[in-house]
Amino acid sequence: AQSVTQLGSHVSVSEGALVLLRCNYSSSVPPYLFWYVQYPNQGLQLLLKYTSAATLVKGINGFEAEFKKSETSFHLTKPSAHMSDAAEYFCAVRNNAGNMLTFGGGTRLMVKP
Amino acid sequence: IAGITQAPTSQILAAGRRMTLRCTQDMRHNAMYWYRQDLGLGLRLIHYSNTAGTTGKGEVPDGYSVSRANTDDFPLTLASAVPSQTSVYFCASSDSTGSSTDTQYFGPGTRLTVL
Repeated sequence: AQSVTQLGSHVSVSEGALVLLRCNYSSSVPPYLFWYVQYPNQGLQLLLKYTSAATLVKGINGFEAEFKKSETSFHLTKPSAHMSDAAEYFCAVRNNAGNMLTFGGGTRLMVKP
Repeated sequence: IAGITQAPTSQILAAGRRMTLRCTQDMRHNAMYWYRQDLGLGLRLIHYSNTAGTTGKGEVPDGYSVSRANTDDFPLTLASAVPSQTSVYFCASSDSTGSSTDTQYFGPGTRLTVL
């Protein structure tokens, strides 16, 4: 069985500060990993995905994530937060045996002026 | 291109009533999914369909049924709604060509309240 843990249901940063959202996964087979963003009253949008190519994945809006197998982590970062980054972020894992995603509980990012 | 549309946007429903949430996609994706989103639990898969004519159970299928008569539509039915089914429901689709890297695209959601 696979699972995803997102540490911190709420993260608050100041505008211009580093954003770090944590994601750890468990999977019995090499995983495919995803980060989605959800803006208020909207559906989920894909930020980036890891597909066993480069371990550092760049996504939209300046976000990137690094796959670290030894740490079973896929943390999301952005060097400088913008007010428009305020949203809920979900990490998800899918194994290569199927096409179903398992989501973490989500992290709400708040950006202070 | 509309992508995925869901209807209704929101609904308040009396317990025991039957309700169908509609989902339509215009991307000709073969796979479709229904998730429910609850605070602190992320999204949990209810049912899925890998192709028209087939369906499967996800993590939390009890109390829900689906059908996939054609490629574009994937309705979710609550036969007899209960308050624990109060949630936000998201439909998604993907072009599952056998690659595990296909992306799921999500609709805007339906907010359902069961009283």
